[in-house]
Amino acid sequence: AQSVSQHNHHVILSEAASLELGCNYSYGGTVNLFWYVQYPGQHLQLLLKYFSGDPLVKGIKGFEAEFIKSKFSFNLRKPSVQWSDTAEYFCAVLADNFNKFYFGSGTKLNVKP
Amino acid sequence: GAGVSQSPSNKVTEKGKDVELRCDPISGHTALYWYRQSLGQGLEFLIYFQGNSAPDKSGLPSDRFSAERTGGSVSTLTIQRTQQEDSAVYLCASSPTNGELFFGEGSRLTVL
Repeated sequence: AQSVSQHNHHVILSEAASLELGCNYSYGGTVNLFWYVQYPGQHLQLLLKYFSGDPLVKGIKGFEAEFIKSKFSFNLRKPSVQWSDTAEYFCAVLADNFNKFYFGSGTKLNVKP
Repeated sequence: GAGVSQSPSNKVTEKGKDVELRCDPISGHTALYWYRQSLGQGLEFLIYFQGNSAPDKSGLPSDRFSAERTGGSVSTLTIQRTQQEDSAVYLCASSPTNGELFFGEGSRLTVL
């Protein structure tokens, strides 16, 4: 069965700290990869996505993620977080053979001002 | 707007009652998903519709849950004989084939 693992369930950082959230998936074929974000009281929205090409993708608000095929990983990074980045972050995989999205369990990020 | 629309946004019901939650996806999107988000939990997959194919119901937690998608567009999630553990936010999302998911605002269900 397909699975998406997010290793950090809850992360607390101070403003200006660097962020890296881990995401690993289990599927050997072609995948499309996504990070979604849910700000407090808001609906889920796309942060960034990888379909093909440059494995380092940049998203909104200074976020980026790197697809490392050999490691089945798609970690999310931001060099310097802000208080407004406080949210829950979900990694998702769309595997070509299954045509269905699989989500990780989410990581809650709390940025202290 | 042209986003995914869900109704009602909030529903409070008594234990044992039936509820219907509606999702109006983005026009032209072939895929439609229902997820459940409980307090402190991640996204729990419920059901997936893709075009005219048979839906993937593998995530429905019990036979009290059912969903249909009429005409390849609007979808209704029905929960019969609601229980307190059904309290959650029910999220609908639609997607073009192999594209990103677009989420609705969700329907918050509270079962008293």
